Amino acid sequence: EIVLTQSPGTLSLSPGERATLSCRASQSVSSTYLAWYQQKPGQAPRLLIYGASSRATGIPDRFSGSGSGTDFTLTISRLEPEDFAVYYCQLYGRSPSLTFGGGTKVEIK
Amino acid sequence: QVQLVQSGAEVKKPGSSVKVSCKASGGTFSSYAISWVRQAPGQGLEWMGGIIPIFGTTNYAQKFQDRVTITADKSTSTAYMELSSLRSEDTAVYYCARGLAAAAGYDYYYYYMDVWGKGTTVTVSS
Repeated sequence: EIVLTQSPGTLSLSPGERATLSCRASQSVSSTYLAWYQQKPGQAPRLLIYGASSRATGIPDRFSGSGSGTDFTLTISRLEPEDFAVYYCQLYGRSPSLTFGGGTKVEIK
Repeated sequence: QVQLVQSGAEVKKPGSSVKVSCKASGGTFSSYAISWVRQAPGQGLEWMGGIIPIFGTTNYAQKFQDRVTITADKSTSTAYMELSSLRSEDTAVYYCARGLAAAAGYDYYYYYMDVWGKGTTVTVSS
């Protein structure tokens, strides 16, 4: 079973700053099957990125994804107040090997 | 625009079962996969399993294999998740989510989840 490890657990930043979130897989995975979600308190997750680097419909271009193999990154170029939330990476693809990372909380410094 | 509408909150006794529904409105149902994802209080997301109505297949995470049953009624565009032998650790918000699906031989592929229900809170308490 592939394990996704996200770091850091918490990222304390100010609005306007750049956020860099990491997702590391325990073994090499296809970038085709890597997604990122944003979740705010009391809300369902929202798809941000799929295929490691493709933005979902309606997602602002300040969000970008990159990476391959075992190391993937979600970058928020300039944090807006509404971007403070928890972010999850997810490996999808052949069932039942769907798994989420533990999440990174981006909080206001 | 498709929406997934889930059933209301449930309070259950340990050892009992719960069945949560997820109705799709405003879009196609059968050609997508419906996954069930749960989130315990203060914890992360956990994929429990899913169903691909067009293929008539269900797939379960190993952790839940013995206790979860996922079904779908294509006539009403509704998916169901039933979890049995409930224990306190099953207290969580249960989400349904839609994603693309594919098959290759006997393997079934669940893609990213682009539409989510609002979640159903299940509380297990004596």
